[in-house]
Amino acid sequence: AQKVTQAQTEISVVEKEDVTLDCVYETRDTTYYLFWYKQPPSGELVFLIRRNSFDEQNEISGRYSWNFQKSTSSFNFTITASQVVDSAVYFCALSEAFGGNYQLIWGAGTKLIIKP
Amino acid sequence: DSGVTQTPKHLITATGQRVTLRCSPRSGDLSVYWYQQSLDQGLQFLIQYYNGEERAKGNILERFSAQQFPDLHSELNLSSLELGDSALYFCASSVDLGGGDNEQFFGPGTRLTVL
Repeated sequence: AQKVTQAQTEISVVEKEDVTLDCVYETRDTTYYLFWYKQPPSGELVFLIRRNSFDEQNEISGRYSWNFQKSTSSFNFTITASQVVDSAVYFCALSEAFGGNYQLIWGAGTKLIIKP
Repeated sequence: DSGVTQTPKHLITATGQRVTLRCSPRSGDLSVYWYQQSLDQGLQFLIQYYNGEERAKGNILERFSAQQFPDLHSELNLSSLELGDSALYFCASSVDLGGGDNEQFFGPGTRLTVL
């Protein structure tokens, strides 16, 4: 069965530190998609990145970077030089074919607290 | 702003009651998804509609139902409400061209409180 594990329930760091959020997934499909979403205190879900299972290239977007490793079924997210505005709950999610449908399976989320 | 709208933003009601949550997808998106976020269950997929037809069902209770109308907006109906139904309900939409590579855009959510 498909599953997404975010083992870190809460992480607290001081501003400007680098922080990595872990995501481990389970799937039997060879075609699947991985996502990261951010949920700030205001509550909305903000899309950060999508990665398909055939593209293992790491991605960098400003202070954000993602490391996708199929060998370990992991899709980790690193924030470099963290800022207070990065404080939020971050969700990793998996989307795979399920009878041709692609609903998201969510991890439990990691609450990130950036202290000034 | 994702382009997905949800109303109402907040809803407070009593046990046993019935409520309707409304979602308007982004212009051009054919798929609508409903998710429930509760403290004990986390984020869970409830149901998906594509161009008016139910496409997939997740952990949706029998007391809950949904539909998607010809103008593509969707409604989630929750009946015989229980305290445990208190949660944030999200709607998301995607273009859904069938390839799976569809980013889902989320609405701001409806916070339901059942007293």
